[in-house]
Amino acid sequence: AQSVTQLDSQVPVFEEAPVELRCNYSSSVSVYLFWYVQYPNQGLQLLLKYLSGSTLVESINGFEAEFNKSQTSFHLRKPSVHISDTAEYFCAVSENIGWRGGKLIFGQGTELSVKP
Amino acid sequence: DAMVIQNPRYQVTQFGKPVTLSCSQTLNHNVMYWYQQKSSQAPKLLFHYYDKDFNNEADTPDNFQSRRPNTSFCFLDIRSPGLGDAAMYLCATSRESSYNEQFFGPGTRLTVL
Repeated sequence: AQSVTQLDSQVPVFEEAPVELRCNYSSSVSVYLFWYVQYPNQGLQLLLKYLSGSTLVESINGFEAEFNKSQTSFHLRKPSVHISDTAEYFCAVSENIGWRGGKLIFGQGTELSVKP
Repeated sequence: DAMVIQNPRYQVTQFGKPVTLSCSQTLNHNVMYWYQQKSSQAPKLLFHYYDKDFNNEADTPDNFQSRRPNTSFCFLDIRSPGLGDAAMYLCATSRESSYNEQFFGPGTRLTVL
């Protein structure tokens, strides 16, 4: 079975500083990777995804993630964070279960806290 | 806009009193999921429907049941809620595909008194 490890449970950072949220997965087959963001008392929103093609993927609000097959990583980065980026971030990998569809395997989450 | 809707957003029930949470979608996706998420934890998959086929996770307690009367709606029934069932319940959908990109509803926060 696949697994996802988010190496940092909490990341405090000052506004306008760069940030990296780390994610490693375990899989030797083709993978599809996702980052979701969750604001307090809300559902998960897709931030960005890697399905194929360019290993660098970007979101509309300045986040980017790079798929690194040799290191089995999919780290999330932003060069300059805002207070509004404060949220929980979940890395996930897709796992197929044949005719019954598929499911996402989530990491434990990283709480990003941006301070003024 | 196409979306996943969950009602109610907040639900309070009493210990042992059955409760039903609702999810609807306008995306016309054929896969629907129910997750339980406790504070500061990742979402935990309870079960999912692939069309009308029900797929239960091995560690989902029998206390949790689900119904999917049609493509658009899916319900989560908790037959006898315990204090440990207090959590956020998330519904998600995905189109049949190999990569399982999922679209989440806003969640229902369940409180058990």
